[in-house]
Amino acid sequence: GIQVEQSPPDLILQEGANSTLRCNFSDSVNNLQWFHQNPWGQLINLFYIPSGTKQNGRLSATTVATERYSLLYISSSQTTDSGVYFCAVPGANNLFFGTGTRLTVIP
Amino acid sequence: GAVVSQHPSRVICKSGTSVKIECRSLDFQATTMFWYRQFPKQSLMLMATSNEGSKATYEQGVEKDKFLINHASLTLSTLTVTSAHPEDSSFYICSARGRLNSGRVGTQYFGPGTRLLVL
Repeated sequence: GIQVEQSPPDLILQEGANSTLRCNFSDSVNNLQWFHQNPWGQLINLFYIPSGTKQNGRLSATTVATERYSLLYISSSQTTDSGVYFCAVPGANNLFFGTGTRLTVIP
Repeated sequence: GAVVSQHPSRVICKSGTSVKIECRSLDFQATTMFWYRQFPKQSLMLMATSNEGSKATYEQGVEKDKFLINHASLTLSTLTVTSAHPEDSSFYICSARGRLNSGRVGTQYFGPGTRLLVL
């Protein structure tokens, strides 16, 4: 299957700081998703981003498909941004999840 | 948007007992359902994929006789952990996907998860 690696594995930010999370994947993909898993475990879809850049409020994502990576930008972080961020790419019939980045935003 | 529910949200059981987890798609017909397992501080690992009316396809290393999956209707799938042991303690997440009118596969929606603790 496709290998999906994320970095950094852990990130601690002061409230108000900006951050960039990276997702590298081992094979060509026709789509990529970013999820936020909140502290209760619920997965929340953030972006479908097969290529290019999308923005939603303080979050934006960029995927460079030819170089097999995607970036998630979080600006002016808030404590509610804490949780684990996963990228995922589709396989033949399911999603392959990345290794995740655990973000902790401290007040 | 589409909603997927899971029940129970958390369960504690004694070693050797069986536990059933339900996954329901609330406002769409789920032609395919997925079951994932997530250990603490790890990623989601796919356990099995089930299509309505047919047997589930299990990922390598997942015991089909231990993790029984039933997808009897287009809105319900169940995962039964048989003879649970402490090492089965984990967070179990189901996901459901329907099919669009065009015939293409729809979006994959995730349930809120079930936290299982086996004592």
